[in-house]
Amino acid sequence: GIQVEQSPPDLILQEGANSTLRCNFSDSVNNLQWFHQNPWGQLINLFYIPSGTKQNGRLSATTVATERYSLLYISSSQTTDSGVYFCAVRISSGSARQLTFGSGTQLTVLP
Amino acid sequence: GAGVSQTPSNKVTEKGKYVELRCDPISGHTALYWYRQSLGQGPEFLIYFQGTGAADDSGLPNDRFFAVRPEGSVSTLKIQRTERGDSAVYLCASSLGQTSYERQYFGPGTRLTVT
Repeated sequence: GIQVEQSPPDLILQEGANSTLRCNFSDSVNNLQWFHQNPWGQLINLFYIPSGTKQNGRLSATTVATERYSLLYISSSQTTDSGVYFCAVRISSGSARQLTFGSGTQLTVLP
Repeated sequence: GAGVSQTPSNKVTEKGKYVELRCDPISGHTALYWYRQSLGQGPEFLIYFQGTGAADDSGLPNDRFFAVRPEGSVSTLKIQRTERGDSAVYLCASSLGQTSYERQYFGPGTRLTVT
């Protein structure tokens, strides 16, 4: 099956710093979503971004589908940004519809 | 504009017992997915429904796990003879059901603890 690798696995930042999270995938995809899982376990949709670039406030994401990676940018980080960030993809070929998740990036933002 | 809802939010059960977990998808969404998230890992696929039928159950770990969606809306995940290894967060997601690549919307999850 498709492999999804996220880096770095852990990231500690001071409040106000910027960061870039990366997601590499091993096959062509036609669905890519970024999620934030907060400390209470809730999985929050951040972006649906199978290709191109999107921005939402302090967050932005870019997916280069032809090179099989996606980046999530967090600017001016806040303590509420802490949690685990997941990338999830759906392989282009075949009939399977499920998302395959990476193992996540654990982000800690210190005050 | 309600999102995906799941009940209960937490469930503690004894080893060997039977449990049911419920998912209410977004109104109008015909596709429904169950995922399981073990501690420290990303969610993993269990089963996918299109309407009332299970279109793909390849992720169910064994025959103790079963899911239904009798009217094409609410779904119930059923686990028989629970084991401690079943402890995890069970997530439900739904989507419009029109394309294979559409966005999936996740519920808050049910945290299952088997003692």
